[in-house]
Amino acid sequence: SAVISQKPSRDICQRGTSLTIQCQVDSQVTMMFWYRQQPGQSLTLIATANQGSEATYESGFVIDKFPISRPNLTFSTLTVSNLSPEDSSIYLCSVEGEAGPNYGYTFGSGTRLTVV
Amino acid sequence: DAKTTQPPSMDCAEGRAANLPCNHSTISGNEYVYWYRQIHSQGPQYIIHGLKNNETNEMASLIITEDRKSSTLILPHATLRDTAVYYCTTLNSNSGYALNFGKGTSLLVTP
Repeated sequence: SAVISQKPSRDICQRGTSLTIQCQVDSQVTMMFWYRQQPGQSLTLIATANQGSEATYESGFVIDKFPISRPNLTFSTLTVSNLSPEDSSIYLCSVEGEAGPNYGYTFGSGTRLTVV
Repeated sequence: DAKTTQPPSMDCAEGRAANLPCNHSTISGNEYVYWYRQIHSQGPQYIIHGLKNNETNEMASLIITEDRKSSTLILPHATLRDTAVYYCTTLNSNSGYALNFGKGTSLLVTP
């Protein structure tokens, strides 16, 4: 299965600033997914990123707040903009298995963001 | 896309089998059921998946009822390291087939 390197693993940011999270995959993948996990909660899908096209955002998430780049088939970034304490969460990227979704998805180790 | 329902928490003694139920009564005929677990806020880890037949791998067994409305994940000999949140999930066909996470079951394995 694919191996994902996600950076940074954690950060403490001032409100009003932005944080960019990177995910590097060791193989080419078509779809990458970005999730948010608020404290004590389950994972919520933010957006789906397909190389060569704009990301598709879920209800409640907008591009101005969560811009995503997908410059090639092995890399993506998620930026969390204009930070507020409510953005304090774990952010995770994910890719489907090399043989498609029926062979399991791989997740990055997550980025723990604290906004002060 | 099917919605999944799981008990919020369960306990299991070390060495015993842990049986984690999941209800997915709205699942469609071609939707797989996936199980993932998350230990200590790490990224979720794939365990097993199935469509209609029971499945077994080195980590667990998956029993799916004949009507496919529910399933049970079985950890045959639970260890302390199996303490985690277990998610029964399906794919969201409206979101590029992203995993659709419910609230999960927090499993505590006790000595």
